[in-house]
Amino acid sequence: QQPVQSPQAVILREGEDAVINCSSSKALYSVHWYRQKHGEAPVFLMILLKGGEQKGHEKISASFNEKKQQSSLYLTASQLSYSGTYFCGTEMVNTGNQFYFGTGTSLTVIP
Amino acid sequence: GAVVSQHPSRVICKSGTSVKIECRSLDFQATTMFWYRQFPKKSLMLMATSNEGSKATYEQGVEKDKFLINHASLTLSTLTVTSAHPEDSSFYICSGTGRTNYGYTFGSGTRLTVV
Repeated sequence: QQPVQSPQAVILREGEDAVINCSSSKALYSVHWYRQKHGEAPVFLMILLKGGEQKGHEKISASFNEKKQQSSLYLTASQLSYSGTYFCGTEMVNTGNQFYFGTGTSLTVIP
Repeated sequence: GAVVSQHPSRVICKSGTSVKIECRSLDFQATTMFWYRQFPKKSLMLMATSNEGSKATYEQGVEKDKFLINHASLTLSTLTVTSAHPEDSSFYICSGTGRTNYGYTFGSGTRLTVV
C-alpha cells in the first residue's frame, strides 16, 4: 500500500531546482505533500484532489496525474530552509479512509 | 489553524509496563485519527485508523491487543502500548482530520523508550 518515492535522497546547492516523485500501485483519491525536519512532526505543504491538478505556493508546487497514479513535487530556486525529508501521503480509492505515507525523500540544500 | 496536542512528548518506561499517549484536537473535530510509528530515518508507518465512536482498523501486522486505540470523542484519541518491550521503542505520532481539505493535522509526536 505504501507509495514509492524517488529519489531517496538529493543534495542541492541553494538556488537549484528539484523534483520529487511519488508513485502508487493503486488508484488515488488524493495526494498530500509534507515536509519533516529532524525530530519534528511533518508539516503539511499541499493537497491535490483532482487528476491533472497542479497546485503550489511560493516556489513549491505539485502535480497529480490520476491516470498514472503519480504525483510530483517541484521545488524551484531552493533555499536552505527547504532541507528536510519530504513525504507524499495518499488516500486510495476503495480502501476505506486509510492514509499512507510514501517512502520519503531526504533533501539537503547546501550553500 | 488546526492544532492537535499530543502528550507526553517523551516517555521512558520499564519493560512490561503500559504507556498511554493522548492526542487532542484543540480547534476542530477530528472525525478520523490516524496513528503512526516512525523508526529513525524511515517513513511513517500507519498502525491504525480510528473513527470516532467506532473500533479502530488496524494495519496488517499490528497487534490490536498490544496497541489499544480509543477514540471516544471527536476531540480525543488515545494509544496505549501494553506490556511494552524494548522493540516498541519508537516515535509515535497521531494525525487527525475533520475533512477540511487542509490536509491532516499532526500531533508533535511521542518518543517512547522502553528499557
